[in-house]
Amino acid sequence: QKEVEQDPGPLSVPEGAIVSLNCTYSNSAFQYFMWYRQYSRKGPELLMYTYSSGNKEDGRFTAQVDKSSKYISLFIRDSQPSDSATYLCAMSAGFQKLVFGTGTRLLVSP
Amino acid sequence: DTAVSQTPKYLVTQMGNDKSIKCEQNLGHDTMYWYKQDSKKFLKIMFSYNNKELIINETVPNRFSPKSPDKAHLNLHINSLELGDSAVYFCASSQAGEGDETQYFGPGTRLLVL
Repeated sequence: QKEVEQDPGPLSVPEGAIVSLNCTYSNSAFQYFMWYRQYSRKGPELLMYTYSSGNKEDGRFTAQVDKSSKYISLFIRDSQPSDSATYLCAMSAGFQKLVFGTGTRLLVSP
Repeated sequence: DTAVSQTPKYLVTQMGNDKSIKCEQNLGHDTMYWYKQDSKKFLKIMFSYNNKELIINETVPNRFSPKSPDKAHLNLHINSLELGDSAVYFCASSQAGEGDETQYFGPGTRLLVL
């Protein structure tokens, strides 16, 4: 069993939909949680960063961390075709050793 | 003004050859990384250097040897390339510090071993 589990998708939604992306993890030592977005043939770019449990909002994006359930989520409101990409969750117990999920491919159709 | 850059972007080579990938960052970070992303998009850390010192060395064959001539550069040399080495290799950098684990990635080097 992988340390971080993420549904690979693809997840197809119409423009304007609310998207929910999720990861579960097994290592209770993880305390730093990130979401990266990766466009085709590009490097991952950081979208959201959260420390410990709680919510964080940035524009159309909301990240949630529930450490008691070992579950993190990324919500995208009013999704746009430009949001079509692979979304990677990543987490760390510290010392900058990130463990990534396998990524969820999101397709937003106009 | 690219933050993390890699060369080359594409590398096609024969089995058994030796090749190098270069990485440079201009963010002033003190920590650099090499990751391998396989065909299923799974991104896994290979090495990490902090101030030119190796701090993370995952279970990677010794054919892979990272070298950090200074804080802004981390190169990856691969000896005796094998078919299974075909992947996208990403360099990343970060600034070590309490409460910040964010890493910034380069554009990737696509390696194809024939």
